[in-house]
Amino acid sequence: QKEVEQNSGPLSVPEGAIASLNCTYSDRGSQSFFWYRQYSGKSPELIMSIYSNGDKEDGRFTAQLNKASQYVSLLIRDSQPSDSATYLCAVNLGYTGNQFYFGTGTSLTVIP
Amino acid sequence: EAGVAQSPRYKIIEKRQSVAFWCNPISGHATLYWYQQILGQGPKLLIQFQNNGVVDDSQLPKDRFSAERLKGVDSTLKIQPAKLEDSAVYLCASSLGSVARQETQYFGPGTRLLVL
Repeated sequence: QKEVEQNSGPLSVPEGAIASLNCTYSDRGSQSFFWYRQYSGKSPELIMSIYSNGDKEDGRFTAQLNKASQYVSLLIRDSQPSDSATYLCAVNLGYTGNQFYFGTGTSLTVIP
Repeated sequence: EAGVAQSPRYKIIEKRQSVAFWCNPISGHATLYWYQQILGQGPKLLIQFQNNGVVDDSQLPKDRFSAERLKGVDSTLKIQPAKLEDSAVYLCASSLGSVARQETQYFGPGTRLLVL
């Protein structure tokens, strides 16, 4: 069974703090991993992708991947009220063509 | 570069009516996906095309949903007849369709369907 699990939240952090979002996946063969941000009433917007174990940084965002633990996380530093959204974790199995699976999303609220 | 286009953006119909959604992917993208996103849930794949062939339609309710991508570019998704539980956002996404693992999909604005 190919599942992507996220804590649905809601997660609340004060402005300027670090927000930590977590995701686990069940298929050990998964090849690539994505974080999407989805504002209320909008479509998902890609913010990070990661393919190898370790950390990947892009501005205030850091994605962390641990394939042994089947775990991927997203850290948002210096959180801003504009970061308030639902964050979707997605996994591409990728070994028999592209197969994307999404988690249910974590709702983040950044409190001014 | 233009993004994924979808229309209509909103649709309200009564149950048992039919409805169709249209999607035009990013130019050059061979893979096209239709997702259903119910409020509070993540997107669920309905059907995936590679050019004009179906790759995966295992979660498409085939008794009422159909989709086509005849010329390998734009696509239509149809629901006939609609049920109340079909109320959702229908998202179209596209990706290059390469074999490289760094395949990324991009989403259109979605069509919000309300079935009354």
